[in-house]
Amino acid sequence: GAVVSQHPSWVICKSGTSVKIECRSLDFQATTMFWYRQFPKQSLMLMATSNEGSKATYEQGVEKDKFLINHASLTLSTLTVTSAHPEDSSFYICSARDREIQPQHFGDGTRLSIL
Amino acid sequence: AQKITQTQPGMFVQEKEAVTLDCTYDTSDQSYGLFWYKQPSSGEMIFLIYQGSYDEQNATEGRYSLNFQKARKSANLVISASQLGDSAMYFCAMRDNQAGTALIFGKGTTLSVSS
Repeated sequence: GAVVSQHPSWVICKSGTSVKIECRSLDFQATTMFWYRQFPKQSLMLMATSNEGSKATYEQGVEKDKFLINHASLTLSTLTVTSAHPEDSSFYICSARDREIQPQHFGDGTRLSIL
Repeated sequence: AQKITQTQPGMFVQEKEAVTLDCTYDTSDQSYGLFWYKQPSSGEMIFLIYQGSYDEQNATEGRYSLNFQKARKSANLVISASQLGDSAMYFCAMRDNQAGTALIFGKGTTLSVSS
């Protein structure tokens, strides 16, 4: 149980393109999902907390207009990287948990490469 | 603010030996959870073990055990009988037990197991 699906797993696109990444909880409802970013050989840095039916809470230094988050249902959160540039190339990974005490379950991540 | 510190960028161990990965943390919360995740080169985050701040016994999960020393604020991961498949990045993480809070990660330790 507690499976989180993330799609797509790999994206290569041109500079200026907007890219949407989906994060779904397959067998549980997640009122809260989290989006992280990871550069090679580095740790996961929290970008934002996504709350179903309300605005996301962004961490300091994360541009809200650049990284649009929508959590329209209890099983789906999306991250849209708008007008992506090469410096946005990174590994993006989402997570969710079904109950407050349980560990966070992670999607398999999305490798984003902007040319 | 919470902080996780992993001071070992890399660790090397031979097959069948035990290895300890260090983790110290800082928090003013009384109720919190400590986690260890494994991240192989493919990128997915694999949950290994959890320790609650009020748990009196050290957590164990198969070959993984967590050496929890609350007064020293340390939560070291012990892997017994290392296997080649254990080679990966290992992250220590923590979260307070308030609703909707995210995991905060340490910088990680790269474990290399040789035959």
